[in-house]
Amino acid sequence: DAGVTQSPTHLIKTRGQQVTLRCSPISGHKSVSWYQQVLGQGPQFIFQYYEKEERGRGNFPDRFSARQFPNYSSELNVNALLLGDSALYLCASSAQVPGTPQETQYFGPGTRLLVL
Amino acid sequence: AQKVTQAQTEISVVEKEDVTLDCVYETRDTTYYLFWYKQPPSGELVFLIRRNSFDEQNEISGRYSWNFQKSTSSFNFTITASQVVDSAVYFCALELQGAQKLVFGQGTRLTINP
Repeated sequence: DAGVTQSPTHLIKTRGQQVTLRCSPISGHKSVSWYQQVLGQGPQFIFQYYEKEERGRGNFPDRFSARQFPNYSSELNVNALLLGDSALYLCASSAQVPGTPQETQYFGPGTRLLVL
Repeated sequence: AQKVTQAQTEISVVEKEDVTLDCVYETRDTTYYLFWYKQPPSGELVFLIRRNSFDEQNEISGRYSWNFQKSTSSFNFTITASQVVDSAVYFCALELQGAQKLVFGQGTRLTINP
């Protein structure tokens, strides 16, 4: 079975531009989360979506937004890119259903974004 | 607030040595989950283990073992007879019940030398 997939694998942008990252969850998983991992640090939570609704948001500016589609895939958008947005962006999916026992998150290979 | 501390930034050992990666967590919640993930150079986080706060039983999986102690808020990971393929960055993470939000430690870079 296919795992979590993300595209593109690498991306180079300049300051002020906008970027869209894509994620397809494991088949059957309806929950998708996004994390940012700056070099040398642990991943930081950005968003969680379930059934197209935002269920959680981390401490990130409004330049970051996301959405989930009916097929449970997701996009992360970042506007007005800053140098500090350079990072590995990880997507995770799980079989989590709100109000039920916790499910493990499984991660994709990530998108490496470099902002020049 | 929740916090995970991995005090060991880097560890380097010779192949076949045993190595323990430390993880200390902070939370006031009584129901939570602890995880270990492995991140090879490719970047993908590979799930290794999950424990819930009510299960303090230690676990062994092949050369890997985990020691969960609520009394010291620790969830340490030991690799026995390490191999070069174990070289990676290892992350400990905490998640509260009902929140699909992992709080990660800073990671420990483990290098196994032949």
